[in-house]
Amino acid sequence: EIVLTQSPDTLSLSPGERATLSCRASQSVITTYFGWYQQKPGQAPRLLIYGATTRATGIPDRFSGSGSGTDFTLTINRLEPEDFAVYYCQHYGSSPYIFGQGTKLEIK
Amino acid sequence: QVTLKESGPALVKPTQTLTVTCTFSGFSLNTSGMRVTWIRQPPGKALEWLARIDWDDDKYYSTSLKSRLTISKDTSKNQVVLRMTNMDPVDTATYYCSRFRLGEYGMDVWGQGTTVTVSS
Repeated sequence: EIVLTQSPDTLSLSPGERATLSCRASQSVITTYFGWYQQKPGQAPRLLIYGATTRATGIPDRFSGSGSGTDFTLTINRLEPEDFAVYYCQHYGSSPYIFGQGTKLEIK
Repeated sequence: QVTLKESGPALVKPTQTLTVTCTFSGFSLNTSGMRVTWIRQPPGKALEWLARIDWDDDKYYSTSLKSRLTISKDTSKNQVVLRMTNMDPVDTATYYCSRFRLGEYGMDVWGQGTTVTVSS
């Protein structure tokens, strides 16, 4: 079973800065089935990125995804106040559909 | 517009069976490639995938919870039901359902979740 490890656990930044979130898989995964989700307190997760690089409907272009094989990155340019949340990576190529443990992006 | 909404008991006792229902609109589980999945999240913890059901009634379960889970669908009602037996306090969580189409699309639309507490 694949394990996804996100780093860092917590990232403290200021609005306007760039955030770089990482996700490492325990074995090579199919890039087509890799995604990122955002979750704000008290809300359901929201799909941000699918297929490793494609923004979901309505997601601003300051969010971008990259990576392949075992290493994936979510980059958020010019952080807005509403971007401070928890972010999860996920591989959904085959069951079981594993999530990473999450990275909390907090205001510095 | 695609929407999903979870419903179920807020409180269950240990050893009881939990039944949660996902009622959706804006898509059909009769459509080829359509799937619905369940995910849960204990308080303050990460997301955990539980089960998936497909348009053709194929079903998939979490490895660790497989013996306790049953997923089913009622396409006439646009509902997917998840049952979890032998509930324990560690199963206290918010339970979410989401649409999960075949292909690269990910779990693209989520319900608001239903919170279940397991306590005597």
